[in-house]
Amino acid sequence: AQSVTQLGSHVSVSEGALVLLRCNYSSSVPPYLFWYVQYPNQGLQLLLKYTTGATLVKGINGFEAEFKKSETSFHLTKPSAHMSDAAEYFCAVGTARQLTFGSGTQLTVLP
Amino acid sequence: DSGVTQTPKHLITATGQRVTLRCSPRSGDLSVYWYQQSLDQGLQFLIQYYNGEERAKGNILERFSAQQFPDLHSELNLSSLELGDSALYFCASSAGTSGKNIQYFGAGTRLSVL
Repeated sequence: AQSVTQLGSHVSVSEGALVLLRCNYSSSVPPYLFWYVQYPNQGLQLLLKYTTGATLVKGINGFEAEFKKSETSFHLTKPSAHMSDAAEYFCAVGTARQLTFGSGTQLTVLP
Repeated sequence: DSGVTQTPKHLITATGQRVTLRCSPRSGDLSVYWYQQSLDQGLQFLIQYYNGEERAKGNILERFSAQQFPDLHSELNLSSLELGDSALYFCASSAGTSGKNIQYFGAGTRLSVL
């Protein structure tokens, strides 16, 4: 069975500061890992994914994530936060059946 | 725009009623997934269809059912509605059934049961 834990349901950063959103997973098979973003009143949009190969994955809007098997982590980072990054972020593990999502992290960007 | 279309965007109904949510997947995608998003349960997988056949079931109540039609659109039927069924219902589609396939999400249907 797969599970995802996102540490911190709310994260606040100042504009221009580093964004770090934490995700740990549990998977009985090699994981496929995803980060999605949800803006208010919208659906989920894929930020990036890890399937195989390079463990540092670059996504849209300047986000990246690093797969660390030894730590079972897939943390999301962005060097410099922008006001438009304010949204809810979901980490997910993918299997043939479904995506299993974490509980989400609400990112607030302060001016 | 993800290419996944969900209708209606909003639905307000009363307890005990039945509603149907509709989803059109991205062109060429054969898999359709349904998810429920609520404040207390988060994002929960309900059911998956692939090319018209049910492939996987998650936390879907017996009062809920779904189907995928020959033209690949899908419908989620919710019956005997309860207050606790109020939630956002998302449809997603992907090209295949591999866990590495990207799932593209629609904008959702917000269901309010009064």
